[in-house]
Amino acid sequence: NIVMTQSPKSMSISVGDRVTMNCKASQNVYNNIAWYQQKPGQSPKLLIYYASNRYNGVPDRFTGSGYGTDFTLTINSVQAEDAAFYYCQRIYNSPPTFGSGTKLEIK
Amino acid sequence: EVQILETGGGLVKPGGSLRLSCATSGFNFNDYFMNWVRQAPGKGLEWVAQIRNKNYNYATYYAESLEGRVTISRDDSKSSVYLQVSSLRAEDTAIYYCTREETTGLMDAWGQGASVTVSS
Repeated sequence: NIVMTQSPKSMSISVGDRVTMNCKASQNVYNNIAWYQQKPGQSPKLLIYYASNRYNGVPDRFTGSGYGTDFTLTINSVQAEDAAFYYCQRIYNSPPTFGSGTKLEIK
Repeated sequence: EVQILETGGGLVKPGGSLRLSCATSGFNFNDYFMNWVRQAPGKGLEWVAQIRNKNYNYATYYAESLEGRVTISRDDSKSSVYLQVSSLRAEDTAIYYCTREETTGLMDAWGQGASVTVSS
């Protein structure tokens, strides 16, 4: 099975900064990647699909990129409400494996 | 408005069984695949099972780590999906989320989750 590896495990960023987090697939997944945001006590929310497409209502400060095995989620001008865990997921084929997540803290 | 509501969680003794239900509304249930995803306390997301729709012959898929202990089913007439878990272990303690999945792979709607605790 494909393994999704996320890095870093956590990061602490100031409001207004730009943040980049990574997701690496153990095999070529083409652009079949989604990113989810999960805030404490809430269920995950879809942010990005097919590597670079923003889901409905997602602010344009969230940008996804990558193809094949290496993917990136970038948040430009981080806001306080962006504090959350972020998970990548291989989609479209089974099993839809999740990465272990990146915790974003706001200083 | 899309609504997904999981029920059936609770405290279960090791070795016991549990049936989770997921009732949905606000969308055409027949068009979607449905999944269960779980999250152990303080841990990440773990996909558990998927059931496809009628167009895909209601095919089912399971996480290798759980295969043989879980069964996913759906009732299109009730817009509901179910997860039966048997031989429960402490490591099955988690919040179990029901998710809608477009046939293109997007899990674009999640319930609030049902909490399952396995303890004696």
